[in-house]
Amino acid sequence: ETGVTQTPRHLVMGMTNKKSLKCEQHLGHNAMYWYKQSAKKPLELMFVYSLEERVENNSVPSRFSPECPNSSHLFLHLHTLQPEDSALYLCASSQDRGAIYGYTFGSGTRLTVV
Amino acid sequence: AQKITQTQPGMFVQEKEAVTLDCTYDTSDQSYGLFWYKQPSSGEMIFLIYQGSYDEQNATEGRYSLNFQKARKSANLVISASQLGDSAMYFCAMRGAGGKLIFGQGTELSVKP
Repeated sequence: ETGVTQTPRHLVMGMTNKKSLKCEQHLGHNAMYWYKQSAKKPLELMFVYSLEERVENNSVPSRFSPECPNSSHLFLHLHTLQPEDSALYLCASSQDRGAIYGYTFGSGTRLTVV
Repeated sequence: AQKITQTQPGMFVQEKEAVTLDCTYDTSDQSYGLFWYKQPSSGEMIFLIYQGSYDEQNATEGRYSLNFQKARKSANLVISASQLGDSAMYFCAMRGAGGKLIFGQGTELSVKP
């Protein structure tokens, strides 16, 4: 399998649930990213990982908890979410943090919080 | 601070005609990259075309070309011979010295048969 794969594609969860989003890349890239895309808003960068180390956290609430166990996998653990957290969550990877060739994106997880 | 601006929330174009999607940017970096991505309703962001700040020629990729005007800080996407499958959201993005990609608000393109 090639490219960036995100699972699940769709997720509906209650505000008291705990769930995880998974992202996997088989491109040999060293940097991975989580973006949030809300309706009618630009993509918002949430987290940046480089060589499995978190290098950026853009003031994301603690109810979102990222994990990068190795350079191919990235998770976003969710707990006690709010309805305004409903959005498309996109994972991306790049060759390195310099991202000279841009990012490769997954298809996203469409999250609905009820 | 870096900023990308797309001023056209929605655009319509007749099938087989050309369309230009506008993008302006602001940065103090000397070295930067400009990207266009397509996002169909499925959600995936698909890379279309790239222009480096030092590239003297406008980038082209098949039916896509990037009209790069550095002095005006604009990087408009031109799609020639529009097809129904071109209907999607289009995002302009900029990579600065730190490697981070920032995105514009997007333009929704609708191709009419």
